[in-house]
Amino acid sequence: DQQVKQNSPSLSVQEGRISILNCDYTNSMFDYFLWYKKYPAEGPTFLISISSIKDKNEDGRFTVFLNKSAKHLSLHIVPSQPGDSAVYFCAASARNSGGSNYKLTFGKGTLLTVNP
Amino acid sequence: GAGVSQSPSNKVTEKGKDVELRCDPISGHTALYWYRQSLGQGLEFLIYFQGNSAPDKSGLPSDRFSAERTGGSVSTLTIQRTQQEDSAVYLCASSPQSGLTYEQYFGPGTRLTVT
Repeated sequence: DQQVKQNSPSLSVQEGRISILNCDYTNSMFDYFLWYKKYPAEGPTFLISISSIKDKNEDGRFTVFLNKSAKHLSLHIVPSQPGDSAVYFCAASARNSGGSNYKLTFGKGTLLTVNP
Repeated sequence: GAGVSQSPSNKVTEKGKDVELRCDPISGHTALYWYRQSLGQGLEFLIYFQGNSAPDKSGLPSDRFSAERTGGSVSTLTIQRTQQEDSAVYLCASSPQSGLTYEQYFGPGTRLTVT
């Protein structure tokens, strides 16, 4: 039972264009969402996050959009750069009875390739 | 400052042997996590330590898996009687404090191959 789904295993875009990575979730209790970037032979690196009380969060070239009714979030990268080429993981968490969101559920990842 | 470090970076072992994987979290981080990433899969939560609280072991796949965190810092993940399905990358992460920040900082992982 996959609660966080990234249905596109890979995505290829041209440098300077927009990259849009998508993520769907099934657990309505999820209230915090994160995106991680992973280069080969390295651990994932935190990129950007969003709380369920918001529908958009922006940080430089990266923007995350959350559509709670559709249980869908997306990561927009604009303009895309060759250095953005990596695997991007979507992750989600639900607040537990103690008020903590520590347990992350990850999607399988999307390999983004930005071509010069 | 130094990030999360893990050792060894690669481990090849024979089926049935025990292995120990080590994680050194970022200094001052009170929360520590272990994840596993099998081929073609996302990261799978294994166990969580927070300060002196009892760890959340709900993600451990079997009783062959155990983990300790000594002195609130270094952690060791032990897999007994390894099986081929244990082959995966084992990732450790730490975070400053649970409940206030949910951003976890990952180490480079240990790639375990069971032959």
